[in-house]
Amino acid sequence: SQKIEQNSEALNIQEGKTATLTCNYTNYSPAYLQWYRQDPGRGPVFLLLIRENEKEKRKERLKVTFDTTLKQSLFHITASQPADSATYLCALVDNAGKSTFGDGTTLTVKP
Amino acid sequence: GAGVSQTPSNKVTEKGKYVELRCDPISGHTALYWYRQSLGQGPEFLIYFQGTGAADDSGLPNDRFFAVRPEGSVSTLKIQRTERGDSAMYLCASSLTGGKDTQYFGPGTRLTVL
Repeated sequence: SQKIEQNSEALNIQEGKTATLTCNYTNYSPAYLQWYRQDPGRGPVFLLLIRENEKEKRKERLKVTFDTTLKQSLFHITASQPADSATYLCALVDNAGKSTFGDGTTLTVKP
Repeated sequence: GAGVSQTPSNKVTEKGKYVELRCDPISGHTALYWYRQSLGQGPEFLIYFQGTGAADDSGLPNDRFFAVRPEGSVSTLKIQRTERGDSAMYLCASSLTGGKDTQYFGPGTRLTVL
């Protein structure tokens, strides 16, 4: 069966450092992969999408890589800020848009 | 409205009761998705609508769960004979046409079955 693993439940880093979150999957061939941010009590907010034929995508301080051979995506937040503290979800998406989510990694950026 | 809205924001019910959860998608979005999220877990796909029809309902856990979208806009998720295990956050998302289009999530309905 399909399985998605995000590297850890929680990640604590110091302000200004780069946060790196990992998403690994098995038994799946997604059309593309998305990363979301979720704050407590709120729905997920879309951040970045990367297609299976793309290696890297950037948006401001965010960078996503996608390695379909390793079946892994890395999500980086550079120059992290306390406001970046949230849960980050990766989702594998098929051509219909049906998304399979990981359980998320909760990032805490300490000032 | 500007975004996806869901009502009620919170619903507390007793075991065995019937509940309806409503989702108002972004105007003009043809694709609508329902997910369920338990504490500490990611959202779990339930059902996907394209227009008025359910294109994929493979995530509905059993026949107590049913969803409709009669006019291709508002959708209602219906749960019969609720069980304590149904307690979760129910999220709705819409996108312009489905596929790779960005899904915009609503704030969710927190369902608690006592």
